[in-house]
Amino acid sequence: ETVLTQSPATLSLSPGERATLTCRASQSVGTYLAWYQQKPGQAPTLLIYDSSKRATGVPARFSGSGSGTDFTLTISSLEPEDFAVYYCQQRSGWPPVITFGPGTTVDVK
Amino acid sequence: QVQLVESGGGLVKPGGSLRVSCAASGFRFSASYMAWIRQAPGKGPEWLAYISGPGSTTIYADSVRGRFTISRDNAKNSVSLQMNSLRADDTAVYYCARDCGGDCNWFDPWGQGSLVTVSS
Repeated sequence: ETVLTQSPATLSLSPGERATLTCRASQSVGTYLAWYQQKPGQAPTLLIYDSSKRATGVPARFSGSGSGTDFTLTISSLEPEDFAVYYCQQRSGWPPVITFGPGTTVDVK
Repeated sequence: QVQLVESGGGLVKPGGSLRVSCAASGFRFSASYMAWIRQAPGKGPEWLAYISGPGSTTIYADSVRGRFTISRDNAKNSVSLQMNSLRADDTAVYYCARDCGGDCNWFDPWGQGSLVTVSS
């Protein structure tokens, strides 16, 4: 099973600052890496898929990059609504094994 | 708009069974793969199963294979998860989600979730 590790566990920043979140896979997943945002009491929502493609309606301040085992989600300038938990997720092999990372909490400094 | 609404969660005793369902609207349901994903309190999501549009292909996570069964009714635009032999560690919010299906990787959208609590 491909294990995803996210760092840091918590990122404390102020509005307007840049956020850089990392996701590392225990083995290569190519570019089959997605990012989700989850706010308290809500379901996760898709932000980025295929490592770098923004989902419909996602603001341009969110960007993703990486391939193989190392991936990054960048929020160029934090808005108040961006403080949330972010999860990465991969799919690999056949039959597919689908796993999520443990999450990074972005909170207000 | 695309919408998923779960129902059927609740309190069940260890060893018991429960069925959660998901009603879909706003997209071509019969052509869409669907998945169930759960999230235990304070934890990251855990994918459980997916089913192809016609229902001919089902894939399960090791943690639930043999205990959980995913099914769908395309005439009613619904997908269900039958859960048997429930254990305390199955306690979680259960989400249905549209799966991109095939050679791709995303889940979008997700339903609002249904809480399942396994406790005596």
